[in-house]
Amino acid sequence: EIVMTQSPATLSVSPGERATLSCRASQSVGSILAWYQQKPGQSPRLLIYGASTRATGVPARFSGSGSGTQFTLTISSLQSEDFAVYYCQQYGNWPGTFGQGTRLEIK
Amino acid sequence: EVQLVESGGGLVQPGGSLRLSCAASGFTFSNYYMNWVRQAPGKGLEWVSYISSGSSTIYYADSVKGRFTISRDNAKNSLFLQMNSLRDEDTAVYYCARDVGRGNYALQHWGQGTLVTVSS
Repeated sequence: EIVMTQSPATLSVSPGERATLSCRASQSVGSILAWYQQKPGQSPRLLIYGASTRATGVPARFSGSGSGTQFTLTISSLQSEDFAVYYCQQYGNWPGTFGQGTRLEIK
Repeated sequence: EVQLVESGGGLVQPGGSLRLSCAASGFTFSNYYMNWVRQAPGKGLEWVSYISSGSSTIYYADSVKGRFTISRDNAKNSLFLQMNSLRDEDTAVYYCARDVGRGNYALQHWGQGTLVTVSS
């Protein structure tokens, strides 16, 4: 099973600033990686797939990069609605494992 | 609009059984792979099971293998998860999820989830 490790566990950022979230895979997953956002009491929402492709309706301030074992989700200018938990997931090898999540909180 | 509506959750004793359902609408159900993903209270996401569009390919997480069975009825646009021999650690919100499609298996659409509580 591929282990996905996200860092940091919690990130405190001020509105309007840039946030950078990291995800590392225990072995190469190519570009078969997704990022999800989850707000309290809500279902996860797909943001990025294929490591860098924004899902339908996702604002351009969200961008994904990386390949192999190292990936990054960048939110260029944080809005109030962006404060949530973010998960990465590799879905190229069964089981499609998730990272433990990064909580993005208001500084 | 894609809609996924789960049902069937509830309180069950350890060793008991439950059958979850997911009613799909707004897309051609028979064209898509479908998934169950769960989230224990206050915890992260765990992919539980996956079924191909024609049911020919099925996977289970090791944690549920031999106890859970995924199935689908394409004529009724429905996905199911039969859960037997339930354990305390199966307590979670269970989500039905559909992939992006066109050979891309990221989970684009999610239901609202149904809570399964295993407790005596």
